[in-house]
Amino acid sequence: AQSVSQHNHHVILSEAASLELGCNYSYGGTVNLFWYVQYPGQHLQLLLKYFSGDPLVKGIKGFEAEFIKSKFSFNLRKPSVQWSDTAEYFCAVNGSGNTGKLIFGQGTTLQVKP
Amino acid sequence: NAGVTQTPKFQVLKTGQSMTLQCAQDMNHNSMYWYRQDPGMGLRLIYYSASEGTTDKGEVPNGYNVSRLNKREFSLRLESAAPSQTSVYFCASSEGVTGANVLTFGAGSRLTVL
Repeated sequence: AQSVSQHNHHVILSEAASLELGCNYSYGGTVNLFWYVQYPGQHLQLLLKYFSGDPLVKGIKGFEAEFIKSKFSFNLRKPSVQWSDTAEYFCAVNGSGNTGKLIFGQGTTLQVKP
Repeated sequence: NAGVTQTPKFQVLKTGQSMTLQCAQDMNHNSMYWYRQDPGMGLRLIYYSASEGTTDKGEVPNGYNVSRLNKREFSLRLESAAPSQTSVYFCASSEGVTGANVLTFGAGSRLTVL
């Protein structure tokens, strides 16, 4: 069965600090990978996705993620966080060819202090 | 466009009561999903509908039923609510039935079972 593990449950950073959120998945076949973000009081929004091609993908608001197949990882990065990045971040995966159903990680709450 | 609309936004039930969460999408998407979000557990798939006329169980289907009423609407029913079903419920939809599709989420329905 597929599973997703996010290493950090709660991260606190100061503005301008760099961010890296870890995500590892368990699945033997070809995967599609996603990061979703949930800002306070809002619904989930897509941050970025990887389907194929360049393993370094860029998303909205300066976020990027790197797919490392050998490590079953899809870590999220941002060079310099802002207070407005305070949110909960979810990594998700599904197997290529499956229906669109996603398996989500536990989520990481990011708090950015001004 | 409204995207994915869920009703109600908030509901309080007593143990044993029944209720239906409604979901509608106006994007002509084929697939629809119901997730529940609990602290520290991320989002877990309850049921999904790959296309009109089909439904299938997700990770945590016990205690729930669904109906794909037409292409636009996908409802989730709790026949006899239990305190363990206190959660935030999210409906989502996606255009296609393969894994390489982005889910669009509704705003969520917060359910409390006393």
